[in-house]
Amino acid sequence: DTGVSQNPRHKITKRGQNVTFRCDPISEHNRLYWYRQTLGQGPEFLTYFQNEAQLEKSRLLSDRFSAERPKGSFSTLEIQRTEQGDSAMYLCASSPSDRGPDGYTFGSGTRLTVV
Amino acid sequence: GENVEQHPSTLSVQEGDSAVIKCTYSDSASNYFPWYKQELGKRPQLIIDIRSNVGEKKDQRIAVTLNKTAKHFSLHITETQPEDSAVYFCAASNVGGFQKLVFGTGTRLLVSP
Repeated sequence: DTGVSQNPRHKITKRGQNVTFRCDPISEHNRLYWYRQTLGQGPEFLTYFQNEAQLEKSRLLSDRFSAERPKGSFSTLEIQRTEQGDSAMYLCASSPSDRGPDGYTFGSGTRLTVV
Repeated sequence: GENVEQHPSTLSVQEGDSAVIKCTYSDSASNYFPWYKQELGKRPQLIIDIRSNVGEKKDQRIAVTLNKTAKHFSLHITETQPEDSAVYFCAASNVGGFQKLVFGTGTRLLVSP
C-alpha cells in the first residue's frame, strides 16, 4: 500500500500517560496535516506542515500536544499527560504542493482510548 | 474562521430513492467544497468536489450543487444502493491558503433494501 500510513492503528492508554503516533505520508507529498475526529463529529484541523516547517496550529492543539516532521518525511504527534477528552481518532493526511485540497490523501487513523 | 453546518444528521431511505444532504458555510473566501464518504473504521474518501466558479457537478449517481450567494451546497445521490450506507461529510477550504479543510458534523445515511 503506497498510501498514507499511520501507526499504531489503536492505542489504549491510562490517563496521565504520554502517547506518540506516527504518520508516513505519500513520499512525494510535502504537505502534511493532522486532524482529530471525535465520535459522531467531523474531523477537526490540528496542525499543518510544509516539508519540515510547522506553519499552522489550531487552538485545539494545547500545550500538551506537540507535532514534528524532522526531515520533511514522516511526522509524529505526541500527547503528554493524556486526558479522557483526548480519546478520538487522529487522522493524518498528505498532499502535493502542486495540487489543491483535492490532492488530499487521508490515512486510516490512530484510534486513541484514554481510560 | 470558517464554520460549516450540515443537515440532516441522519437520513434513512429505501433502496432506489434519492438522498439529499445540505451544508452551509460562513466564510465567503472559501472556494473549494468537497464531499467525503466514511465507512465505519475507515478513512474519509473523497467522492465529489466543486469549486466556487461552478454551480453544479455530476458524476454518475452523485451530484453537488453550489449557491455562492446563499453560501450553501448540497450532495444529491440518486438511485441509492445499500452500499451507499455510510457517514457523509461536507467540507470547505480556501485553495489560496494552506488548504485546511473545515468539516461539517456528518450525515449518517442508511439505505434499506
